[in-house]
Amino acid sequence: DVKVTQSSRYLVKRTGEKVFLECVQDMDHENMFWYRQDPGLGLRLIYFSYDVKMKEKGDIPEGYSVSREKKERFSLILESASTNQTSMYLCAIGISQGNYGYTFGSGTRLTVV
Amino acid sequence: GNSVTQMEGPVTLSEEAFLTINCTYTATGYPSLFWYVQYPGEGLQLLLKATKADDKGSNKGFEATYRKETTSFHLEKGSVQVSDSAVYFCALYPNTGNQFYFGTGTSLTVIP
Repeated sequence: DVKVTQSSRYLVKRTGEKVFLECVQDMDHENMFWYRQDPGLGLRLIYFSYDVKMKEKGDIPEGYSVSREKKERFSLILESASTNQTSMYLCAIGISQGNYGYTFGSGTRLTVV
Repeated sequence: GNSVTQMEGPVTLSEEAFLTINCTYTATGYPSLFWYVQYPGEGLQLLLKATKADDKGSNKGFEATYRKETTSFHLEKGSVQVSDSAVYFCALYPNTGNQFYFGTGTSLTVIP
């Protein structure tokens, strides 16, 4: 089974800081996704990528950017962190035929103070 | 458009009680349907799925049947355990599309 590793389980950052969240897979799957999870709102898609150097905006990309320089790594960047970006961030990967389901990482709980 | 609606929680049940979590969907075409589970402090795990109408997905005693006529995919378990306490997400993947659509999640707590 594929393994998805998110670099940090908990992060505390200050308002205005640039924040990097890393996601690494140990297979060669094309599709990688970043979600944020908030109570009562479920999962909301921020960005996704189908291949190296490719990226697509999801439903809530404002305030975020992404980088995919290598196939196995997909980074989420908060250019200038704000308190409303305090959330649980989940990385997911999938093969090209999405109906096999996604594999999720354990999540990073980010607090911006 | 595509969307998933699931019953709001939280749901609290006694051990060995019967569980139903309702999920209905809106989609163009014939999507694949999924249930994911999130245990405390963890990411989401695929629980079960169904890829066409009348299919039944099952895993760990949980079941859900893809009902095209009612656009539903309700999750059921005959006898819940304390270890089933988690948040459950219903999701769909459209047959013409490139992303999942998730419900808002239903929190389940099972008490001894």
